[in-house]
Amino acid sequence: QKEVEQDPGPLSVPEGAIVSLNCTYSNSAFQYFMWYRQYSRKGPELLMYTYSSGNKEDGRFTAQVDKSSKYISLFIRDSQPSDSATYLCAISMDSSYKLIFGSGTRLLVRP
Amino acid sequence: GAVVSQHPSRVICKSGTSVKIECRSLDFQATTMFWYRQFPKQSLMLMATSNEGSKATYEQGVEKDKFLINHASLTLSTLTVTSAHPEDSSFYICSASGQGARDGYTFGSGTRLTVV
Repeated sequence: QKEVEQDPGPLSVPEGAIVSLNCTYSNSAFQYFMWYRQYSRKGPELLMYTYSSGNKEDGRFTAQVDKSSKYISLFIRDSQPSDSATYLCAISMDSSYKLIFGSGTRLLVRP
Repeated sequence: GAVVSQHPSRVICKSGTSVKIECRSLDFQATTMFWYRQFPKQSLMLMATSNEGSKATYEQGVEKDKFLINHASLTLSTLTVTSAHPEDSSFYICSASGQGARDGYTFGSGTRLTVV
């Protein structure tokens, strides 16, 4: 069993749609949860960083963590064509520990 | 703040030669740096973790003699791919964390290595 599972997609939505991206993880020892956006041939860009269960909002992005279910989500409201990218979830046991990435979900927002 | 600069962005080299990739933290002290490799349409795979002044810790299956990592200062880490072969062609990305860095990890822009 992989430590973190993520649907690779691709996920295609119309502009303005609400996008839901999800990951599950297997080890309850993971405490830090991140979402990255990666455009083609670029380094990942940190979107959201969360530590505890619950929701964290930043502009059009909302990260949700449910530690009891070992389930993390990223919601994108009012999606734009510029949001088309690969979204990677990442988990870590502490703030200086190595990241474990999901496989990434490719998102396409159609104009 | 928390910028990581990675160079070169793209390199083509002949089989059997060595290539050095640099990763610099520009505005914070990177006590820990991570090197990843990413094949097309795949996720990032951690190769090694390096702490300033210490030997790097390599992940299982990564040849330490082939992928030489040096982290001699708090702002610079280098990855040298020695005796490169076509199968080493990949996207290599560094990330850094440390005092002054933002929460999470800051990634470099990546280096696309093509071995011909």
